[in-house]
Amino acid sequence: AQKVTQAQTEISVVEKEDVTLDCVYETRDTTYYLFWYKQPPSGELVFLIRRNSFDEQNEISGRYSWNFQKSTSSFNFTITASQVVDSAVYFCALSEARSARQLTFGSGTQLTVLP
Amino acid sequence: DGGITQSPKYLFRKEGQNVTLSCEQNLNHDAMYWYRQDPGQGLRLIYYSQIVNDFQKGDIAEGYSVSREKKESFPLTVTSAQKNPTAFYLCASQVNYGYTFGSGTRLTVV
Repeated sequence: AQKVTQAQTEISVVEKEDVTLDCVYETRDTTYYLFWYKQPPSGELVFLIRRNSFDEQNEISGRYSWNFQKSTSSFNFTITASQVVDSAVYFCALSEARSARQLTFGSGTQLTVLP
Repeated sequence: DGGITQSPKYLFRKEGQNVTLSCEQNLNHDAMYWYRQDPGQGLRLIYYSQIVNDFQKGDIAEGYSVSREKKESFPLTVTSAQKNPTAFYLCASQVNYGYTFGSGTRLTVV
């Protein structure tokens, strides 16, 4: 069965610090996708990135970067030079080809960026 | 613009009542999903549908029911059998691993 673990429940940093959010996943499928979403207090889910299991290249988008390592089943998310507006709950999620493509979410990490 | 519309945004239910949450999409997606989120927790799958007139139970289907009579619509009914329905409910649709989420319905039992 697919499973996503986000061990960090809450993280607090001071503005301009770098912060890494950890994500470890479990799957028996060879074809799967990994996602990161941001959930601000309003509740909607904001899509950040999608990565398929065949592409282990790291990705950078502005202050955001992602490190995908199949050897350790991890898909970590780093915010560089954090800002107060980055404060939110961040979810890592997994979708397998053979599970009707349903998204399985981690429990989320509450990030608080202090001014 | 294409997207998912969930209504209402806030819903209050008296104990023992059934309530229905609406989810409508104009994206022409075949697959649709309902998730529940409790405070401080991740999203858990309630029901999903991959095609019209077909749906499957997710991890926490007890106390819920759905229908999929039209491609655009996937309403969720929270029945009186659901003992702890207070939560945030999100609807999603998917095509080619691209997911679109609605803005959610916050249900409170009063």
